[in-house]
Amino acid sequence: GIQVEQSPPDLILQEGANSTLRCNFSDSVNNLQWFHQNPWGQLINLFYIPSGTKQNGRLSATTVATERYSLLYISSSQTTDSGVYFCAVKDNRKLIWGLGTSLAVNP
Amino acid sequence: EAQVTQNPRYLITVTGKKLTVTCSQNMNHEYMSWYRQDPGLGLRQIYYSMNVEVTDKGDVPEGYKVSRKEKRNFPLILESPSPNQTSLYFCASSLLWTSGRASTDTQYFGPGTRLTVL
Repeated sequence: GIQVEQSPPDLILQEGANSTLRCNFSDSVNNLQWFHQNPWGQLINLFYIPSGTKQNGRLSATTVATERYSLLYISSSQTTDSGVYFCAVKDNRKLIWGLGTSLAVNP
Repeated sequence: EAQVTQNPRYLITVTGKKLTVTCSQNMNHEYMSWYRQDPGLGLRQIYYSMNVEVTDKGDVPEGYKVSRKEKRNFPLILESPSPNQTSLYFCASSLLWTSGRASTDTQYFGPGTRLTVL
C-alpha cells in the first residue's frame, strides 16, 4: 500500500516566522488532503490538493504529483497555528495518514 | 450549520461493558468512516460505509461493529470493550468518495470521542 511520510516531526517557531511542512508519498495519488489538529483534538480540513497550488489566507499548499510530494506553507505564524498537521492520501476506500508534524508557535 | 457530531465526547468505562458511540452528519453525505488515533500510530481506519446498508472493514476492525441503517447515522459499537481500545475516536464523512473532486471527496471530521477502558 501507499506509504506517507511527513517531515519534520516537530517544529518550534516564534510568532511571525514562516515554515514549510513536507509530505512524501510512495505512489501516484489523485486525492491528497491536509488537516490541522488543534490542541483540543479537533481535525480541520485545510486543503484538498491532489496537484497544483492553493492558497487560503496565510496558508498555502503545493502538490507535485509527478514527484510524489506536497508542501504546506505557513506564513507569519500565529500561536493559533499550533497543533499537529497531517497529510493524508487516498488508497482505494480509505485515507492513508502520515504521522504528522507537531508545530508549536511561541509568542 | 453543516457538521459531524459525535456522542459522547468523553467516556470512561470498564472492561466488558457494551457501549455505543454515535455519529451523525447533516450534510447528506454518502461516505462515512470511523478512525482511532493513538500516539505514535497516527489515525487508523476501523470501518467505513459507502452508503446505507453498505459497510466494510478498515485496517483495525477487531472488537468493533458498525451499522448504517440511515444515511445520516453511523454508530460505532464496542460489544465487549478492552483496555487496548482506549483511544481517541473520530467519525468522518464526505459527500462521495470516488469522484476525485474536492467538492465531493473532502473529509469532514467530528469533534472526537476520548474513550478510556479500565
